[in-house]
Amino acid sequence: GNSVTQMEGPVTLSEEAFLTINCTYTATGYPSLFWYVQYPGEGLQLLLKATKADDKGSNKGFEATYRKETTSFHLEKGSVQVSDSAVYFCALSRGGGADGLTFGKGTHLIIQP
Amino acid sequence: DSGVTQTPKHLITATGQRVTLRCSPRSGDLSVYWYQQSLDQGLQFLIQYYNGEERAKGNILERFSAQQFPDLHSELNLSSLELGDSALYFCASSVGVIDTQYFGPGTRLTVL
Repeated sequence: GNSVTQMEGPVTLSEEAFLTINCTYTATGYPSLFWYVQYPGEGLQLLLKATKADDKGSNKGFEATYRKETTSFHLEKGSVQVSDSAVYFCALSRGGGADGLTFGKGTHLIIQP
Repeated sequence: DSGVTQTPKHLITATGQRVTLRCSPRSGDLSVYWYQQSLDQGLQFLIQYYNGEERAKGNILERFSAQQFPDLHSELNLSSLELGDSALYFCASSVGVIDTQYFGPGTRLTVL
Protein backbone atom coordinates (compact mmCIF):
# COMPACT_ATOMS: atom_id res chain seq x y z
CA GLY A 1 0.00 0.00 0.00
CA ASN A 2 0.91 3.66 -0.02
CA SER A 3 3.07 5.07 2.74
CA VAL A 4 5.00 8.23 3.60
CA THR A 5 8.01 8.37 5.89
CA GLN A 6 9.34 11.60 7.35
CA MET A 7 11.57 12.57 10.26
CA GLU A 8 9.39 13.22 13.30
CA GLY A 9 11.52 15.60 15.30
CA PRO A 10 11.23 17.83 17.05
CA VAL A 11 13.69 19.63 14.85
CA THR A 12 15.12 22.69 16.56
CA LEU A 13 16.97 25.34 14.56
CA SER A 14 18.13 28.89 15.08
CA GLU A 15 16.59 31.73 13.12
CA GLU A 16 18.12 32.14 9.62
CA ALA A 17 19.37 28.54 9.55
CA PHE A 18 18.91 26.28 6.53
CA LEU A 19 16.06 23.80 6.80
CA THR A 20 15.70 20.34 5.32
CA ILE A 21 12.89 17.97 6.28
CA ASN A 22 13.23 14.60 4.60
CA CYS A 23 10.27 12.80 3.09
CA THR A 24 10.25 9.52 1.20
CA TYR A 25 7.29 7.64 -0.13
CA THR A 26 6.08 4.28 -1.36
CA ALA A 27 3.28 4.24 -3.87
CA THR A 28 2.07 2.51 -6.98
CA GLY A 29 1.64 4.50 -10.13
CA TYR A 30 2.37 8.22 -10.27
CA PRO A 31 1.22 9.94 -7.10
CA SER A 32 0.96 13.65 -6.49
CA LEU A 33 3.03 14.90 -3.55
CA PHE A 34 2.21 17.60 -1.03
CA TRP A 35 3.55 19.44 1.98
CA TYR A 36 0.99 20.71 4.46
CA VAL A 37 1.71 22.87 7.52
CA GLN A 38 -0.22 22.94 10.79
CA TYR A 39 0.27 25.90 13.11
CA PRO A 40 -0.63 25.47 16.79
CA GLY A 41 -4.37 25.16 17.30
CA GLU A 42 -5.16 25.38 13.59
CA GLY A 43 -6.06 23.13 10.68
CA LEU A 44 -3.78 22.06 7.85
CA GLN A 45 -2.73 24.52 5.20
CA LEU A 46 -1.37 23.50 1.83
CA LEU A 47 2.23 24.71 1.59
CA LEU A 48 3.23 23.36 -1.81
CA LYS A 49 2.67 20.49 -4.20
CA ALA A 50 4.13 18.67 -7.19
CA THR A 51 2.20 16.43 -9.53
CA LYS A 52 4.87 14.78 -11.67
CA ALA A 53 8.50 13.75 -11.58
CA ASP A 54 11.06 16.59 -11.50
CA ASP A 55 8.37 19.17 -10.71
CA LYS A 56 9.43 21.70 -8.09
CA GLY A 57 6.79 23.08 -5.77
CA SER A 58 7.51 26.38 -4.02
CA ASN A 59 5.77 28.81 -1.71
CA LYS A 60 6.79 31.34 0.97
CA GLY A 61 10.48 30.51 0.50
CA PHE A 62 9.91 26.75 0.88
CA GLU A 63 10.78 24.37 -1.97
CA ALA A 64 10.49 20.66 -2.66
CA THR A 65 11.36 18.66 -5.78
CA TYR A 66 9.56 15.46 -6.81
CA ARG A 67 12.35 12.88 -7.25
CA LYS A 68 10.96 9.68 -8.70
CA GLU A 69 14.31 7.92 -8.83
CA THR A 70 14.78 8.29 -5.06
CA THR A 71 11.03 8.39 -4.23
CA SER A 72 11.61 11.55 -2.24
CA PHE A 73 10.08 15.00 -1.76
CA HIS A 74 12.33 16.78 0.73
CA LEU A 75 11.25 20.19 2.02
CA GLU A 76 13.87 22.96 2.10
CA LYS A 77 14.08 26.59 3.08
CA GLY A 78 17.17 28.75 2.92
CA SER A 79 16.57 30.92 5.99
CA VAL A 80 13.93 30.02 8.55
CA GLN A 81 12.07 32.45 10.77
CA VAL A 82 10.49 32.04 14.20
CA SER A 83 7.09 32.23 12.47
CA ASP A 84 7.91 28.99 10.60
CA SER A 85 7.56 27.04 13.84
CA ALA A 86 4.82 24.51 13.16
CA VAL A 87 4.22 20.85 12.30
CA TYR A 88 4.94 19.92 8.69
CA PHE A 89 3.25 16.97 7.00
CA CYS A 90 4.34 15.26 3.81
CA ALA A 91 1.49 13.57 1.94
CA LEU A 92 0.68 11.79 -1.28
CA SER A 93 -2.41 11.07 -3.30
CA ARG A 94 -2.68 8.34 -5.84
CA GLY A 95 -3.09 9.33 -9.43
CA GLY A 96 -6.75 9.40 -10.34
CA GLY A 97 -7.87 10.52 -6.92
CA ALA A 98 -9.13 7.09 -5.99
CA ASP A 99 -8.71 7.72 -2.29
CA GLY A 100 -7.72 10.31 0.26
CA LEU A 101 -4.32 11.63 1.16
CA THR A 102 -1.77 9.40 2.85
CA PHE A 103 0.18 11.42 5.41
CA GLY A 104 3.50 11.03 7.13
CA LYS A 105 3.55 11.34 10.91
CA GLY A 106 4.53 15.01 10.81
CA THR A 107 7.71 16.87 11.73
CA HIS A 108 7.56 19.35 14.58
CA LEU A 109 9.80 22.31 13.72
CA ILE A 110 10.90 24.74 16.42
CA ILE A 111 12.77 27.90 15.42
CA GLN A 112 14.59 29.73 18.20
CA PRO A 113 15.37 33.46 17.98
CA ASP B 1 -9.02 30.86 5.79
CA SER B 2 -9.47 27.87 3.44
CA GLY B 3 -13.19 28.44 2.89
CA VAL B 4 -14.08 25.08 4.46
CA THR B 5 -16.17 25.40 7.61
CA GLN B 6 -16.69 22.85 10.35
CA THR B 7 -19.01 22.84 13.32
CA PRO B 8 -18.82 22.51 16.21
CA LYS B 9 -15.27 23.54 17.04
CA HIS B 10 -15.23 21.50 20.24
CA LEU B 11 -17.40 18.62 21.40
CA ILE B 12 -17.28 16.87 24.76
CA THR B 13 -19.38 13.77 25.29
CA ALA B 14 -19.48 10.48 27.17
CA THR B 15 -18.69 6.93 26.15
CA GLY B 16 -21.52 5.17 24.38
CA GLN B 17 -22.98 8.38 22.99
CA ARG B 18 -23.51 9.45 19.39
CA VAL B 19 -22.39 12.73 17.82
CA THR B 20 -22.65 14.43 14.44
CA LEU B 21 -19.94 16.60 12.95
CA ARG B 22 -20.78 18.99 10.15
CA CYS B 23 -18.72 20.27 7.23
CA SER B 24 -19.45 22.85 4.53
CA PRO B 25 -17.05 22.67 1.57
CA ARG B 26 -15.61 25.60 -0.33
CA SER B 27 -17.99 27.15 -2.80
CA GLY B 28 -17.86 25.12 -6.02
CA ASP B 29 -16.16 22.07 -4.51
CA LEU B 30 -17.94 18.76 -5.13
CA SER B 31 -15.66 16.44 -3.14
CA VAL B 32 -15.60 16.18 0.63
CA TYR B 33 -13.11 14.13 2.65
CA TRP B 34 -13.02 13.26 6.35
CA TYR B 35 -9.81 12.67 8.32
CA GLN B 36 -9.05 11.75 11.91
CA GLN B 37 -5.96 13.08 13.68
CA SER B 38 -4.92 11.37 16.89
CA LEU B 39 -1.65 11.20 18.79
CA ASP B 40 -1.15 7.49 18.27
CA GLN B 41 -2.50 7.04 14.72
CA GLY B 42 -1.53 10.37 13.21
CA LEU B 43 -3.64 11.71 10.33
CA GLN B 44 -5.81 9.03 8.75
CA PHE B 45 -8.20 9.23 5.85
CA LEU B 46 -11.69 8.05 6.73
CA ILE B 47 -14.02 8.54 3.77
CA GLN B 48 -14.63 10.58 0.62
CA TYR B 49 -17.84 11.74 -1.03
CA TYR B 50 -18.20 13.22 -4.48
CA ASN B 51 -21.38 15.03 -5.46
CA GLY B 52 -23.45 13.08 -2.97
CA GLU B 53 -22.01 9.63 -3.64
CA GLU B 54 -19.47 7.72 -1.58
CA ARG B 55 -16.29 7.45 -3.63
CA ALA B 56 -13.60 5.98 -1.39
CA LYS B 57 -13.23 4.49 2.06
CA GLY B 58 -10.17 4.53 4.25
CA ASN B 59 -9.75 3.41 7.84
CA ILE B 60 -13.29 4.18 8.89
CA LEU B 61 -14.80 2.13 11.70
CA GLU B 62 -18.19 0.48 11.27
CA ARG B 63 -19.48 2.66 14.13
CA PHE B 64 -18.80 5.70 11.96
CA SER B 65 -20.81 6.79 8.95
CA ALA B 66 -21.03 9.83 6.73
CA GLN B 67 -23.19 11.37 4.06
CA GLN B 68 -23.13 14.28 1.67
CA PHE B 69 -26.34 16.19 1.10
CA PRO B 70 -27.72 17.80 -2.10
CA ASP B 71 -26.37 21.19 -1.00
CA LEU B 72 -22.95 19.42 -0.77
CA HIS B 73 -22.46 19.82 2.95
CA SER B 74 -21.42 16.65 4.73
CA GLU B 75 -21.97 15.10 8.12
CA LEU B 76 -19.85 12.53 9.93
CA ASN B 77 -21.77 10.45 12.46
CA LEU B 78 -19.88 8.73 15.25
CA SER B 79 -21.78 6.28 17.43
CA SER B 80 -21.12 4.05 20.45
CA LEU B 81 -18.25 6.35 21.25
CA GLU B 82 -15.15 5.03 23.00
CA LEU B 83 -12.35 6.85 24.78
CA GLY B 84 -10.08 6.09 21.86
CA ASP B 85 -12.32 8.08 19.50
CA SER B 86 -11.10 11.28 21.12
CA ALA B 87 -9.31 13.11 18.31
CA LEU B 88 -9.36 16.02 15.91
CA TYR B 89 -11.65 15.40 12.96
CA PHE B 90 -10.89 17.34 9.81
CA CYS B 91 -12.97 17.85 6.75
CA ALA B 92 -11.36 18.76 3.43
CA SER B 93 -12.84 19.64 0.07
CA SER B 94 -11.71 19.77 -3.53
CA VAL B 95 -13.21 20.72 -6.85
CA GLY B 96 -13.12 17.20 -8.29
CA VAL B 97 -11.58 13.92 -7.29
CA ILE B 98 -7.98 14.60 -8.24
CA ASP B 99 -7.62 18.20 -7.21
CA THR B 100 -5.86 19.76 -4.25
CA GLN B 101 -7.66 19.29 -0.95
CA TYR B 102 -8.31 22.27 1.31
CA PHE B 103 -8.81 21.60 4.99
CA GLY B 104 -11.21 23.04 7.51
CA PRO B 105 -10.18 24.07 11.04
CA GLY B 106 -11.31 20.77 12.55
CA THR B 107 -13.61 19.58 15.31
CA ARG B 108 -11.96 18.47 18.54
CA LEU B 109 -13.89 15.55 20.01
CA THR B 110 -13.30 14.57 23.63
CA VAL B 111 -14.91 11.38 24.88
CA LEU B 112 -15.00 11.10 28.69
